[in-house]
Amino acid sequence: DGGITQSPKYLFRKEGQNVTLSCEQNLNHDAMYWYRQDPGQGLRLIYYSQIVNDFQKGDIAEGYSVSREKKESFPLTVTSAQKNPTAFYLCASGKGGRGMEQFFGPGTRLTVL
Amino acid sequence: GDSVTQMEGPVTLSEEAFLTINCTYTATGYPSLFWYVQYPGEGLQLLLKATKADDKGSNKGFEATYRKETTSFHLEKGSVQVSDSAVYFCALRDALNFGKGTSLLVTP
Repeated sequence: DGGITQSPKYLFRKEGQNVTLSCEQNLNHDAMYWYRQDPGQGLRLIYYSQIVNDFQKGDIAEGYSVSREKKESFPLTVTSAQKNPTAFYLCASGKGGRGMEQFFGPGTRLTVL
Repeated sequence: GDSVTQMEGPVTLSEEAFLTINCTYTATGYPSLFWYVQYPGEGLQLLLKATKADDKGSNKGFEATYRKETTSFHLEKGSVQVSDSAVYFCALRDALNFGKGTSLLVTP
């Protein structure tokens, strides 16, 4: 089955540690995205990538980093520089281009203790 | 820049009531418009979309019409069910811009 997967579903880390969230898709999509979701804030774009080896900052990129070495994978690292990292993180992919929707993964809930 | 404004929630309705969730946008040109739905603890799923003015998107009894003159894309359903309880997001273009979401609770 084609789809987009995120792992793990729940993640706990101590303050000051970097943590990497996985996102994989087998839909052959060129574009991939990372969002952060907080209660009452909707979705906020962290980073996106429209092609392998290229990515752009979104609205709230500070304290985060990404890589896009393979078409299928777009991991997100939450660094210790992120002031308030506890949130629900959503990855998405899409064909890109006009009128094309996104396909979302199930999300990872990160809790920093 | 582009932006999307949705009505604030939560919205609470009785089963079989009529639903409207307002969405207006600010953008240049003729952006594609989307509605996504998020069930508790899950990612978002596309509900419907429209790519040009006067297009009507529809799915699972939900409808929305792309109104260029009022820059709106309001979501409607004639008779909601308990299973429609979720958070609904309006989005613009290739979904780099999402509204803040509207929580819907349908009671029996």
